[in-house]
Amino acid sequence: GAVVSQHPSWVICKSGTSVKIECRSLDFQATTMFWYRQFPKQSLMLMATSNEGSKATYEQGVEKDKFLINHASLTLSTLTVTSAHPEDSSFYICSASHTGELFFGEGSRLTVL
Amino acid sequence: AQSVTQLDSQVPVFEEAPVELRCNYSSSVSVYLFWYVQYPNQGLQLLLKYLSGSTLVKGINGFEAEFNKSKTSFHLRKPSVHISDTAEYFCAVTLSPYNQGGKLIFGQGTELSVKP
Repeated sequence: GAVVSQHPSWVICKSGTSVKIECRSLDFQATTMFWYRQFPKQSLMLMATSNEGSKATYEQGVEKDKFLINHASLTLSTLTVTSAHPEDSSFYICSASHTGELFFGEGSRLTVL
Repeated sequence: AQSVTQLDSQVPVFEEAPVELRCNYSSSVSVYLFWYVQYPNQGLQLLLKYLSGSTLVKGINGFEAEFNKSKTSFHLRKPSVHISDTAEYFCAVTLSPYNQGGKLIFGQGTELSVKP
């Protein structure tokens, strides 16, 4: 199957700093990628849909200025958590569609101190 | 709006026993249904999906699920579980296939714990 890779897998940062998470489709081109957030022992909540070459579509309640999404190429989407705070600590997962199936990255665990 | 309810947050079971993880959905229109597995600190892996056709769907690792439209259910089953099946399982629904911009709505997850 297709492979979606996220980097970094783990990141720890200080409160107030910004953190960038990358999502790459390794062996296919993805015009659309999805970003999810998962709190411990909870389900995945869709944050936004990332569209190559255009603005991302954010779900209701997600601050677009807080969670900046850039999809500059057909194989890369980035999520930047700006001015991170402890409440932003979470597991962030991306996914991409290929041949009618959704493939997920390994996830990135963000801890904000 | 669509919603997904996984009726059990935790399911403990002994090795080689059968297991059923329950999933109910709510939607006024036809949906597509999925089961995913998540191992600790990892992304999600597709177990199986129902798009159309036969209501009994077979997936990987010996899992199967049955779509019941009248009961709006899509329960996941395995006749004999292994220790390696210990993981979190998510049921999900979407209105349209991914290549038409479909977004997945996930259930709360069921933690399957297989004991020796």
